[in-house]
Amino acid sequence: GIQVEQSPPDLILQEGANSTLRCNFSDSVNNLQWFHQNPWGQLINLFYIPSGTKQNGRLSATTVATERYSLLYISSSQTTDSGVYFCAVCGGGSNYKLTFGKGTLLTVNP
Amino acid sequence: DSGVTQTPKHLITATGQRVTLRCSPRSGDLSVYWYQQSLDQGLQFLIQYYNGEERAKGNILERFSAQQFPDLHSELNLSSLELGDSALYFCASSTDGGAEAFFGQGTRLTVV
Repeated sequence: GIQVEQSPPDLILQEGANSTLRCNFSDSVNNLQWFHQNPWGQLINLFYIPSGTKQNGRLSATTVATERYSLLYISSSQTTDSGVYFCAVCGGGSNYKLTFGKGTLLTVNP
Repeated sequence: DSGVTQTPKHLITATGQRVTLRCSPRSGDLSVYWYQQSLDQGLQFLIQYYNGEERAKGNILERFSAQQFPDLHSELNLSSLELGDSALYFCASSTDGGAEAFFGQGTRLTVV
């Protein structure tokens, strides 16, 4: 099946810093999503971005489907950005399951 | 609020017991997915239903079963529970495969 690799596995920032999280995938996809899992365990949708670039406030994402990677940018980080960021992809065909990467644990210190 | 409702939020039960987790998808979504999140295995796909029919199966144990009812809500049944089944169980829904999926808040199962 499709493989998803996220980097870095851990990231520690000071409040106000910027960061870039990366997601590499092993095959073509028809769905790519970024999620934030907060300390209470909730999976919050950030972006649905199988290709192209999107922005939402301090967060933006870019997926280059032909090169099989996606990037999540967080600018001016805040302590509330702390948590685990997951990339998940759907490889298409007749199987529409989302395959998750192992996540990036982000800690933003005040 | 994602619009996906899972009950209960927490469940503590003993080994050997059986439990049922319930999921109500977002209005209009026909596809329901179940995922298990444990510390050592990450987020693992269990099973997917589309409009009442099983569509895809992942790493779901034989002791586990699921179904989607005519009103599109879904239930995940876990039986002969073991300590290793302790995990966060998520339900997600989407309009169809490949569409954006939204997750419920999860059911945290603790087997003692």
